[in-house]
Amino acid sequence: KNQVEQSPQSLIILEGKNCTLQCNYTVSPFSNLRWYKQDTGRGPVSLTIMTFSENTKSNGRYTATLDADTKQSSLHITASQLSDSASYICVVNTNAGKSTFGDGTTLTVKP
Amino acid sequence: GAGVSQSPRYKVAKRGQDVALRCDPISGHVSLFWYQQALGQGPEFLTYFQNEAQLDKSGLPSDRFFAERPEGSVSTLKIQRTQQEDSAVYLCASSLARGQGTQYFGPGTRLLVL
Repeated sequence: KNQVEQSPQSLIILEGKNCTLQCNYTVSPFSNLRWYKQDTGRGPVSLTIMTFSENTKSNGRYTATLDADTKQSSLHITASQLSDSASYICVVNTNAGKSTFGDGTTLTVKP
Repeated sequence: GAGVSQSPRYKVAKRGQDVALRCDPISGHVSLFWYQQALGQGPEFLTYFQNEAQLDKSGLPSDRFFAERPEGSVSTLKIQRTQQEDSAVYLCASSLARGQGTQYFGPGTRLLVL
């Protein structure tokens, strides 16, 4: 059913470590892909957006990659902080403006 | 610059009751979206407005769900005869344009149907 699959479902890392979250999609026709951060009890906040022609985009310690051929994206978080603990959601948009959300990866950063 | 606001933040309803959830989008945002988010899952699309026109309601799960945006600004999502499976967080988002612009989300309304 879900055309956007994220892995892992959850992840626990120590503060200061790096991690990479994965997103595979089958949504088409592809327009753009966004990564959102959702803190507990809050709405999602956009981190990055990538179109078909872009294969990497950075936002501070967050770096997203996109391989439109294999329909895969990743979000790499460098030097994690406690405040990075949240759910990270991958969203694929079509040319018609339809958004399909993944179920997210729940990241816990421990001191 | 206020963001998207939603009210109430929490709502407890008895099964069979009607509820109304309000969304105040960012001023000037043409597009408004409603999503339903079950625990541990990503948001699921419910409906989309462009100004006051409801252009897409394909995600509404049943005819008990109704949304309106009569003046192209504030929107209300109404759920009639609530059922336990309606328990979820209802998120509202607004953007300058559908699909192309960043969607700015409100904090959501957590609905619990007993």
